[in-house]
Amino acid sequence: DAMVIQNPRYQVTQFGKPVTLSCSQTLNHNVMYWYQQKSSQAPKLLFHYYDKDFNNEADTPDNFQSRRPNTSFCFLDIRSPGLGDAAMYLCATSRDSHYEQYFGPGTRLTVT
Amino acid sequence: SQKIEQNSEALNIQEGKTATLTCNYTNYSPAYLQWYRQDPGRGPVFLLLIRENEKEKRKERLKVTFDTTLKQSLFHITASQPADSATYLCALPRLGGYQKVTFGTGTKLQVIP
Repeated sequence: DAMVIQNPRYQVTQFGKPVTLSCSQTLNHNVMYWYQQKSSQAPKLLFHYYDKDFNNEADTPDNFQSRRPNTSFCFLDIRSPGLGDAAMYLCATSRDSHYEQYFGPGTRLTVT
Repeated sequence: SQKIEQNSEALNIQEGKTATLTCNYTNYSPAYLQWYRQDPGRGPVFLLLIRENEKEKRKERLKVTFDTTLKQSLFHITASQPADSATYLCALPRLGGYQKVTFGTGTKLQVIP
């Protein structure tokens, strides 16, 4: 089945220790998104790619970076995680603008 | 600025009844609106999209209405079942954001057997 896969599902990292979260898709969608979601809050968009074009949200901290080496894969790098970065990180894809988004299961990040 | 409001209080209803969830928005006229379901610890799952020229859309036991005058969408689940218990999020296209949407905080629905 076509889908969005995120690895790992759970990630524990130490304060200040770089961490990378990964996302892959078999849908061949042009757009890939990274969201941060904290408890009882709306998913918050960090950045997205339209094909290879990277779009950063104005309020996304510099601590968060992303890479999309090809259509199928996208990575979220957190260079120096702080306690406030503990959250669920969601990857999503969309065929194009104004289409529905398909989400992965998320990666729960814990910072100790 | 664009604002989306969903009832933050949980909605508890009896199995078999119709659940109605509300999504209100301000300062904006979206071309469409989406509804998603999110289970605890999982990513949202797309349910329905309704466009501004559509008053109502149905999918099985789900019905969505879109009132651009009231700036409101209603999401109905008829003959609700305990398996419908989840958080339901509405999402609207971002002002000036070509491929982006803004999500509401969602309403948690609990269907009681």
